[in-house]
Amino acid sequence: DAKTTQPPSMDCAEGRAANLPCNHSTISGNEYVYWYRQIHSQGPQYIIHGLKNNETNEMASLIITEDRKSSTLILPHATLRDTAVYYCIGVVTQGGSEKLVFGKGTKLTVNP
Amino acid sequence: EPEVTQTPSHQVTQMGQEVILRCVPISNHLYFYWYRQILGQKVEFLVSFYNNEISEKSEIFDDQFSVERPDGSNFTLKIRSTKLEDSAMYFCASSDSGAEHADTQYFGPGTRLTVL
Repeated sequence: DAKTTQPPSMDCAEGRAANLPCNHSTISGNEYVYWYRQIHSQGPQYIIHGLKNNETNEMASLIITEDRKSSTLILPHATLRDTAVYYCIGVVTQGGSEKLVFGKGTKLTVNP
Repeated sequence: EPEVTQTPSHQVTQMGQEVILRCVPISNHLYFYWYRQILGQKVEFLVSFYNNEISEKSEIFDDQFSVERPDGSNFTLKIRSTKLEDSAMYFCASSDSGAEHADTQYFGPGTRLTVL
């Protein structure tokens, strides 16, 4: 699995877009980029994932660079409830049972 | 929306005692996992389980740990003789197979285990 690098912390004003970067320069061709978040000791929550194309769902957008060496998670209108630790994880999909390797993530603080 | 549930939310035990942590995965999921998070540290993988057997386990998952799917709905983690260093949040997760998001793992709220 690719080693991912994320900034340890970021701040964002409520209502503004939060852009969380992740570097994964060693990602392999069949490795997806997954994003999870953890709100203060709760269970990690799935946000979004992608392989090559940009993805959007009701929670966020994921922008993956053409060379796939980095990606950005975008929370379009951050709220106070988005304050959490965000994890970028490379996952080789095998149809199930692939363990997730969590790093330290980015602690996002959304300020009023 | 279906979710993973875990009981109890908090378990306090004496060192050397056995504990069983319980999880009810999402009903149509086939892959099950346990992770743990010691306070202030990273979430760590313990074990994955599929088709009634362990698929993968970490070096943390030693002979003191075991997992079981005793019936069609529960998935349990047993720690045979707890140690102080087993104090942590334990998270259960499950994922589907054959679906578009086959490897997307959905986590429960966790059980906080405190060993005294």
